Amino acid sequence: LAKTTQPISMDSYEGQEVNITCSHNNIATNDYITWYQQFPSQGPRFIIQGYKTKVTNEVASLFIPADRKSSTLSLPRVSLSDTAVYYCLVGAGNNNDMRFGAGTRLTVKP
Amino acid sequence: NAGVTQTPKFQVLKTGQSMTLQCAQDMNHEYMSWYRQDPGMGLRLIHYSVGAGITDQGEVPNGYNVSRSTTEDFPLRLLSAAPSQTSVYFCASSYGAALAKNIQYFGAGTRLSVL
Repeated sequence: LAKTTQPISMDSYEGQEVNITCSHNNIATNDYITWYQQFPSQGPRFIIQGYKTKVTNEVASLFIPADRKSSTLSLPRVSLSDTAVYYCLVGAGNNNDMRFGAGTRLTVKP
Repeated sequence: NAGVTQTPKFQVLKTGQSMTLQCAQDMNHEYMSWYRQDPGMGLRLIHYSVGAGITDQGEVPNGYNVSRSTTEDFPLRLLSAAPSQTSVYFCASSYGAALAKNIQYFGAGTRLSVL
């Protein structure tokens, strides 16, 4: 399983763009990169997934460089409600065992 | 659409008691799993199932048993509760077992305290 490294915490202010980078140096050729968001007292929920280059949905963008050894989750114009823990997961298409790390605790301030 | 339903939401046990945490999904998902989350930490995988009749161990399986007799249900059993099992437990399901390609849907969690 590819190991991931994320910052423990980040602070931001409302209206700013937030970029959370995840390092996964030993990512395998068939591994995908998936991000989840977890609010207090709730289960995680899927945000975005990608394999290479850039993926964008209504919530976030995911940037993956050519070497795929890192990825960056970008949240545009955050609000107080984006305060949550964000998890980066890396795994192969046939992997039944996905592991969550400690995640990045994002705090958005007014 | 209920999604993933966990019961109970809260539970207090005494050391040595047994109990079953229930998890049900109505999305006809093949894959189901149980995680525990301790304060300030990420989720750790306890057990998972890739289909009815098939279960396997995750990262922290000791002290927990599971079974998967139907596609919809995946109960987690604590045979003899210990204070170290005080945690929040999350159940999740996914359409396919290839988790890297399939979104996991999580329940609201069960907060368990073992005294």
